[in-house]
Amino acid sequence: GAGVSQSPSNKVTEKGKDVELRCDPISGHTALYWYRQRLGQGLEFLIYFQGNSAPDKSGLPSDRFSAERTGESVSTLTIQRTQQEDSAVYLCASSRAPQGGRETQYFGPGTRLLVL
Amino acid sequence: AQKITQTQPGMFVQEKEAVTLDCTYDTSDPSYGLFWYKQPSSGEMIFLIYQGSYDQQNATEGRYSLNFQKARKSANLVISASQLGDSAMYFCAMREPTLGGSRLTFGEGTQLTVNP
Repeated sequence: GAGVSQSPSNKVTEKGKDVELRCDPISGHTALYWYRQRLGQGLEFLIYFQGNSAPDKSGLPSDRFSAERTGESVSTLTIQRTQQEDSAVYLCASSRAPQGGRETQYFGPGTRLLVL
Repeated sequence: AQKITQTQPGMFVQEKEAVTLDCTYDTSDPSYGLFWYKQPSSGEMIFLIYQGSYDQQNATEGRYSLNFQKARKSANLVISASQLGDSAMYFCAMREPTLGGSRLTFGEGTQLTVNP
């Protein structure tokens, strides 16, 4: 498809388990972002990838969170030793290369994570 | 301090009427961008409209327009001729290229309900 895709769409896990979330950006988009949305709240920035530059990890809430991206393609967000407070929707977005701030981020449908 | 403030948790409007959703922001970056996204109950984030801090005119996109008052640091979204399908959560977001890179900072959102 032409849009950002994410998998799985829903994930239920037990506290303490590791989870891996996947994002496929729009083809040709060099920038990729991960956000977290807790129930009834706005989006919180987690991490940003731009081409081959070092990622901006400043939004990651703890060292249990990590993300990787190979080139300008797929990204995976990994949460180790999940906690109940990690329950949220994890949204991925992609955009063209930065153009003075005008570039639009296009979002995927999100992965709904529930930690029991 | 909140970077993006949306003071209306919920708004109601009659079908075919216009509605204004409020957004105020706080930044010291002279160059910034303001975005509005719509999030229906299905969860996807849909880009609506963009306003750059140096844009001379208020942005418009179909039934959406942005009432940008730079001195007041407000960027209210106006939806004209409301439709039932406009019922959704609406988020205001800001990008500060100098201070925050390409990440978006989101407000808490406004839940809009369009009544028939």
